[in-house]
Amino acid sequence: DAGVIQSPRHEVTEMGQEVTLRCKPISGHDYLFWYRQTMMRGLELLIYFNNNVPIDDSGMPEDRFSAKMPNASFSTLKIQPSEPRDSAVYFCASSLARGQARSQQHFGDGTRLSIL
Amino acid sequence: DAKTTQPPSMDCAEGRAANLPCNHSTISGNEYVYWYRQIHSQGPQYIIHGLKNNETNEMASLIITEDRKSSTLILPHATLRDTAVYYCIVKPNTGANSKLTFGKGITLSVRP
Repeated sequence: DAGVIQSPRHEVTEMGQEVTLRCKPISGHDYLFWYRQTMMRGLELLIYFNNNVPIDDSGMPEDRFSAKMPNASFSTLKIQPSEPRDSAVYFCASSLARGQARSQQHFGDGTRLSIL
Repeated sequence: DAKTTQPPSMDCAEGRAANLPCNHSTISGNEYVYWYRQIHSQGPQYIIHGLKNNETNEMASLIITEDRKSSTLILPHATLRDTAVYYCIVKPNTGANSKLTFGKGITLSVRP
């Protein structure tokens, strides 16, 4: 039973470069979430989708960040241009919308991003 | 979301029960109590949730006080692999809003 799959696991790049993080949710899940975790700010929700539609992007820090979900099995989080302060671990999570499974979010292993 | 308060850290001996407290004095009637944990270098993992009755699953037990202003997560026989940050979160379980707001959590250290 495959869980949430994120790629790459690690990314190191220079500031100013475009960064694309990828996520494959659990098959059949209706919700997809993107989180960012830093020592200073902890785990913060950036954006979430329901049935591929963005519902709440109030956590997206600024216009340099964008997220898409072109279909039910794939989502991307893009940073352009990247800055050193974007260095963090980015998690993707998915969940079902129905019944007791609602809010049981399943997290991927994260992408550790370092911007030099 | 209602605010939760957890001690920053605690420890327990391997094989003993770990009792992790959480205060949520402003919890609303439609809000559930959720517990997640995050083992180092991994994503958070769902443990258990409940409304007002005590709940038990293969991972843990959740005890919610009658006034619902506090709860305790119990790991009955802690192992070294239970060392993690444990997050207590309160939120409604209805509607389209499925956001989880993570606080600082409590760091549990299980010692040999």
